[in-house]
Amino acid sequence: KAGVTQTPRYLIKTRGQQVTLSCSPISGHRSVSWYQQTPGQGLQFLFEYFSETQRNKGNFPGRFSGRQFSNSRSEMNVSTLELGDSALYLCASSLETGVYEQYFGPGTRLTVT
Amino acid sequence: GIQVEQSPPDLILQEGANSTLRCNFSDSVNNLQWFHQNPWGQLINLFYIPSGTKQNGRLSATTVATERYSLLYISSSQTTDSGVYFCAVYSSASKIIFGSGTRLSIRP
Repeated sequence: KAGVTQTPRYLIKTRGQQVTLSCSPISGHRSVSWYQQTPGQGLQFLFEYFSETQRNKGNFPGRFSGRQFSNSRSEMNVSTLELGDSALYLCASSLETGVYEQYFGPGTRLTVT
Repeated sequence: GIQVEQSPPDLILQEGANSTLRCNFSDSVNNLQWFHQNPWGQLINLFYIPSGTKQNGRLSATTVATERYSLLYISSSQTTDSGVYFCAVYSSASKIIFGSGTRLSIRP
């Protein structure tokens, strides 16, 4: 089975712009979660989507949003980018929502200038 | 919310040495995973271990849920074991909480 894929792998944006990141889960996996990793804050949970519905949300401002499609692929969007949004964004998929093993993609490294 | 603490924060060893990494959590958890993050940022699954002991080659892990800790053992370290090791727990609030990681450096 192919693993979790994320596109793009690298991205450079300017403050104030918006960005959309994409995640394709492992085939058969229905839950997709997003995480932000920064040197200062470590790995932080953004949100989880299951059956096209947001199931859980971390402590991030409303500029961070996401969605999931019927084929379980997910996108996250960050509007009005700030310098502090520069981070590695990781997507993980699991079979179902809840206490299931998570598998991570390679990440998208976003740089905001 | 639940707190996850990993120790030590940094560990430098010679190739061939053994090591023990610890993960403490402040509340009951429904799940615990260990990951290795390679230099390119990829998180690689090591163990899914809410309780008990598992082994995979030179690596093994033990979780004692009643005492709220998990240990990751690495034996006969190799330079390719270098990287950051994270534990992550799934709290009752249905959120994944990561520890701050242990940075392991294996010197040849």
